[in-house]
Amino acid sequence: QLVLTQSPSASASLGASVKLTCTLSGGHSSYAIAWHQQLPEKGPRYLMKVNSDGSHSKGDGIPDRFSGSSSGSERYLTISSLQSTDEADYYCQTWGSGIVVFGGGAKVTVL
Amino acid sequence: QLLLQESGPGLVEPSETLSLTCTVSGDSIGSASYYWGWVRQPPGEGLEWIGGTSSSGYTEYNPSLKSRVTISVDTSKNQFSLRLNSVTAADTAVYYCARGEGYFGPWGQGTLVTVSS
Repeated sequence: QLVLTQSPSASASLGASVKLTCTLSGGHSSYAIAWHQQLPEKGPRYLMKVNSDGSHSKGDGIPDRFSGSSSGSERYLTISSLQSTDEADYYCQTWGSGIVVFGGGAKVTVL
Repeated sequence: QLLLQESGPGLVEPSETLSLTCTVSGDSIGSASYYWGWVRQPPGEGLEWIGGTSSSGYTEYNPSLKSRVTISVDTSKNQFSLRLNSVTAADTAVYYCARGEGYFGPWGQGTLVTVSS
């Protein structure tokens, strides 16, 4: 069964970095995932696609402060030089065999 | 710039059918091999995939909703639609439409649908 697991929260100080993890369920370590940002009271926004080899492709206008990487069944989103405007929920998403799956989301708090 | 906009009733009575339309602007819905999907978010909860359609009408649905969902596409109007029947309070959510190519993006702004009598 295709499942994505995210830790529910993360926090870091203004100007620091935060790294979010999205874990693919067993047998699906080759899958690509996407990261989406959801600001408070807003709809989701596509950030990037992260492939199993760690390569990633960002959406239009996504700052260089956002980057993606991979290791095994884990996919990461790193936000550098954290700004107050980065405080949001972040969801990972994957797809395959006729289904689409979202992770439970991670709330990022900027201290 | 591709834009998607959801429209439809904001209030639906229990046991009735929820109907929403997504209007696409900035490109033709049939111009490439994209997937056009629906995602919902109950208040205070995470995102749930509902299903989607290709421009040719091939559909895929979340198995947990499949018995109640129909998604269709109208390329002449550059729209695709969602119908969810036999709704209950558990179907109260913000409903989003989005373009897909594996991943979703861009997204519509979403529309809140409340199921209540």
